[in-house]
Amino acid sequence: QKEVEQDPGPLSVPEGAIVSLNCTYSNSAFQYFMWYRQYSRKGPELLMYTYSSGNKEDGRFTAQVDKSSKYISLFIRDSQPSDSATYLCAMSSLANYGGSQGNLIFGKGTKLSVKP
Amino acid sequence: DGGITQSPKYLFRKEGQNVTLSCEQNLNHDAMYWYRQDPGQGLRLIYYSQIVNDFQKGDIAEGYSVSREKKESFPLTVTSAQKNPTAFYLCASTGTGGLQPQHFGDGTRLSIL
Repeated sequence: QKEVEQDPGPLSVPEGAIVSLNCTYSNSAFQYFMWYRQYSRKGPELLMYTYSSGNKEDGRFTAQVDKSSKYISLFIRDSQPSDSATYLCAMSSLANYGGSQGNLIFGKGTKLSVKP
Repeated sequence: DGGITQSPKYLFRKEGQNVTLSCEQNLNHDAMYWYRQDPGQGLRLIYYSQIVNDFQKGDIAEGYSVSREKKESFPLTVTSAQKNPTAFYLCASTGTGGLQPQHFGDGTRLSIL
């Protein structure tokens, strides 16, 4: 079983839809969770990061972590064509990342297309 | 503006040739990283450095080398020993102290001639 699983999509939705992007993981030591957005031929851009369980909201974006199910989600409300990109989840155990060893584990990314 | 600059944006390598990818940051970050991204594979860690003059191998270090002579610079050399170098290479950096997210450059796309 891979450490982090992410549905690669592609996911196509109409403008204004609510989008749900998900990752599952197997390592119960993961404590630090991130979502990145990557446009074509660009580097990943940090969208959200959360520590441990719970929800975090930033504008149209909500990140949710359920450690008991080893499942994280990113919700995008009122999706726009400019949200069309690949979304990567990333996570790390506190011990690794807190020491800046940088051993983030990435999902393979979900490609999202929002149609006008 | 503070950020991470990778150059060149596109690079072509001939058989048997070493090539060097540049990564410079002006964020005053201590830690820097190199990742390789292949279609459908996600990001894989090549090398990372927590401090000047020190670096560690990541998951796929074979065929690559790095140096960290200055805090702001972390160049990656793709050697001729790397038999499948065609990929998108991403450099990242992060501050120390507490939980700090990684910030990425815009990548270098390396192809074989």
